[in-house]
Amino acid sequence: ETGVTQTPRHLVMGMTNKKSLKCEQHLGHNAMYWYKQSAKKPLELMFVYSLEERVENNSVPSRFSPECPNSSHLFLHLHTLQPEDSALYLCASSRSDPGDGYTFGSGTRLTVV
Amino acid sequence: AQSVTQLDSQVPVFEEAPVELRCNYSSSVSVYLFWYVQYPNQGLQLLLKYLSGSTLVESINGFEAEFNKSQTSFHLRKPSVHISDTAEYFCAVPFTGGFKTIFGAGTRLFVKA
Repeated sequence: ETGVTQTPRHLVMGMTNKKSLKCEQHLGHNAMYWYKQSAKKPLELMFVYSLEERVENNSVPSRFSPECPNSSHLFLHLHTLQPEDSALYLCASSRSDPGDGYTFGSGTRLTVV
Repeated sequence: AQSVTQLDSQVPVFEEAPVELRCNYSSSVSVYLFWYVQYPNQGLQLLLKYLSGSTLVESINGFEAEFNKSQTSFHLRKPSVHISDTAEYFCAVPFTGGFKTIFGAGTRLFVKA
């Protein structure tokens, strides 16, 4: 399997639930990212992992908890979310050369009810 | 500081007409410049990029962009659009010293029959 794979594609959760988003890449990339894409708002960078170490955390609320167990997998653990957290969550990966650009997954459409 | 401005949030155009999606950037250092495309219900895909050399870069599906240093622009053009080009287009500038990329707010191209 090639590219960046995100599961699930769609998720509906209540505000008291705990769920996790999964991202997997088999491109040999050494950096992975979580982005949030909301309607009528720019892409928001949430977290960056390089070689399994978190190198960026853009003031994301603690109800979002990332995990990067190895260079191929990235998780986003969710708990006690709010309705305004409903969005498309995109995972991306890249090599360390910024000229290569990112490879994005298809995203998880999250709806918080 | 680096920034990216996409001047049009939506561009409606008839099929087979030409189109230009505008992007201006601000950077005090040498830049790489990217255009990404996001088709409905998908993640972003790298469309084309400028790293160095020829200021005119092309994609495999007929889009082209020209790096203009004096005007700090990287506008995306296509001489004749198809219905299948309907998507959102993002201009982006990666930081050359790290893993962060600045994305524009996006331009939604809507091609009408």
